[in-house]
Formats: sequence, C-alpha cells, structure tokens
Amino acid sequence: GQQVMQIPQYQHVQEGEDFTTYCNSSTTLSNIQWYKQRPGGHPVFLIQLVKSGEVKKQKRLTFQFGEAKKNSSLHITATQTTDVGTYFCAGRTGTYKYIFGTGTRLKVLA
Amino acid sequence: DVKVTQSSRYLVKRTGEKVFLECVQDMDHENMFWYRQDPGLGLRLIYFSYDVKMKEKGDIPEGYSVSREKKERFSLILESASTNQTSMYLCASIGPMNTEAFFGQGTRLTVV
Repeated sequence: GQQVMQIPQYQHVQEGEDFTTYCNSSTTLSNIQWYKQRPGGHPVFLIQLVKSGEVKKQKRLTFQFGEAKKNSSLHITATQTTDVGTYFCAGRTGTYKYIFGTGTRLKVLA
Repeated sequence: DVKVTQSSRYLVKRTGEKVFLECVQDMDHENMFWYRQDPGLGLRLIYFSYDVKMKEKGDIPEGYSVSREKKERFSLILESASTNQTSMYLCASIGPMNTEAFFGQGTRLTVV
C-alpha cells in the first residue's frame, strides 16, 4: 500500500544545533502537511505545501516540497527546548485521504 | 476555535468487549478521520468519512467499524476488542478546503 516514511525516527540534539527530518512517499502526493505533537499532546498543524519545489519558512523552521512531489523536509535552525516533540508529515493522496509519516521524535538537550 | 472532542482520555476494556469511541467536532466539517498511533509506526488511518452515512476504509480497518449518523459525530467501534488493539486513538476533522486537520486530544485504550 501507499507509504510515507520519515527519517530519522529519533534525533537528540544540543540546544542551538540544527535539525532536519525527511519525509519520503512511495507515490506522488497532491500536497504535504507538517504537524507537531508535543509530549502527551495531539498533533497540531504547522504548514501545508502544494507546489512542486515549494519552500516555506516559519521563523526558524524551513519546509521544502520536492520537485517530484514525493518527498519533503523540515529543517529547524538553532533548536530550542520548546522544539521538543514528534514531527509528522502527512501526504494527501486522494480527495480526502491523508497518509501520515512514521514521525521523527526530537529531543533537545539544554 | 475548532474543537474536536473525544469522549474519553483513558479507557480500559476487557478482551472480547464491544468498545465505542466517540468523536464530536463543532465546526461543521464534512471530513472526519480515525487514526491509531503506535510507537515507530506513526499515525495509521483506520476509517474516514466525507459525509453523513458515508465511510471509507483506511489502511488498517480490520477489527473496526465506524458510524456517522450526524455530521458532527464520528464513532469508532471495536466489535470485539483484542489486546493488539491497545493503542492511542486519534480523531481528526478537516474542513471543506481540505486544509489543516484538527485533532482531538486522543483516547488511550488498553485492552486487558
């Protein structure tokens, strides 16, 4: 079936270091979304990318959608302890269907 | 603010019991989803519904059914709970422009 894989599964960084998570789909996506789930919380929407090659920034976060619309990345510059959580990508494959990635759990060491 | 409310935060049920997980959203969204979340597997889609009385299977529908009698309510039913259905269950809704998904707080179900 359709799969969306994320790497790495876990990442520990020192505060101030950069962090990147990668999302790869086995099929072409209509769009891709990114979510953040704080420990003990539920996923919260961060951003949506629609166009091939699109790049969007939110303060220290940079999101990219691949040219072939099969992969995406989230890069955090100079991580802070507030960035702790699990980051999920979610690819839209049909009119209503979103396939979530396996998630990357980020731990930031102060 | 969109609110998606799940009926229980924690639930403990016995093997073989019929279990109902309820989800209500207050923003008149057409699309509603049930996911289960397990470590290392991310969120896996169980069922979704794009309208009242409409439902479609997701990736892991076996052992589950759903009901959408009213637009605001989407119920997940475990016909006969088994220990491998111990998990975190997340309900989500998405509005007509298919933008962001709004999640409920999750139900941590333990089947003993």
